[in-house]
Amino acid sequence: GENVEQHPSTLSVQEGDSAVIKCTYSDSASNYFPWYKQELGKGPQLIIDIRSNVGEKKDQRIAVTLNKTAKHFSLHITETQPEDSAVYFCAASTSGTYKYIFGTGTRLKVLA
Amino acid sequence: GAVVSQHPSRVICKSGTSVKIECRSLDFQATTMFWYRQFPKQSLMLMATSNEGSKATYEQGVEKDKFLINHASLTLSTLTVTSAHPEDSSFYICSARDGQGNNSPLHFGNGTRLTVT
Repeated sequence: GENVEQHPSTLSVQEGDSAVIKCTYSDSASNYFPWYKQELGKGPQLIIDIRSNVGEKKDQRIAVTLNKTAKHFSLHITETQPEDSAVYFCAASTSGTYKYIFGTGTRLKVLA
Repeated sequence: GAVVSQHPSRVICKSGTSVKIECRSLDFQATTMFWYRQFPKQSLMLMATSNEGSKATYEQGVEKDKFLINHASLTLSTLTVTSAHPEDSSFYICSARDGQGNNSPLHFGNGTRLTVT
C-alpha cells in the first residue's frame, strides 16, 4: 500500500524567513496531493493541493511543487508569520481507493 | 467553502458507557465520510469509511463492534464508541469529500476530544 514520509518533524524559522517541508510517497498511482494545517485542538484545514498533471502551484505565500519521477512533493511558505505556526500534514490520494494516506506531520514554529 | 461540523467538541465519559459523535456536512452532500483517530503529536489514522445507505468499511485492526458507524443521510454520519475504556481516549476527527472522485478535497471537522475516566 501507499506510504508517505514527511520531513522534518519539527522546524523553527525566524519570522520573515521561508519554510520548506518535504514529503515522499511510494505508490506511483497516487495522483492528488493535499496539504493541511492543523492548529492546536482543531481539525486539519486544507491550505493547498496539487494534482499529478501539474508540477507547481502557488497561492500567495504558499506554494507546492511535485516531482512525479522522484515521487516527492514539497510545501513552501515564504515570508513566514507567527500565525503560520502549526502542524502541517501532507497526504497522498491513491487512484481508486478514495483514501488519503497522511504523512507524520511537521510542527512549524515561527519565531517573532 | 465546504464546512464539516462535528459535535461535541469535547466529551468526558465513564468506563463502560457509550459515546456518540456526530459529523455533518453543512453546505454539501457527502455520500462518503471518513473517521480518523489522532493520538497526541501523531498523524491521523483512518479508522473507517462511512457510506451513506450501506455498511461502513473498517480499516484493519479497527473493531467494528466497538466503533459503530451510521450514515443515515447524505449530510450526517455518527460514530458511537461503545463500552468505552480509558485507552479509547483520543481525538476523533471526521471528514467528508466535497465532490466526486478521489481528487476532490477532503474537508475536516474540528474534532472531538474524548476522555474516558
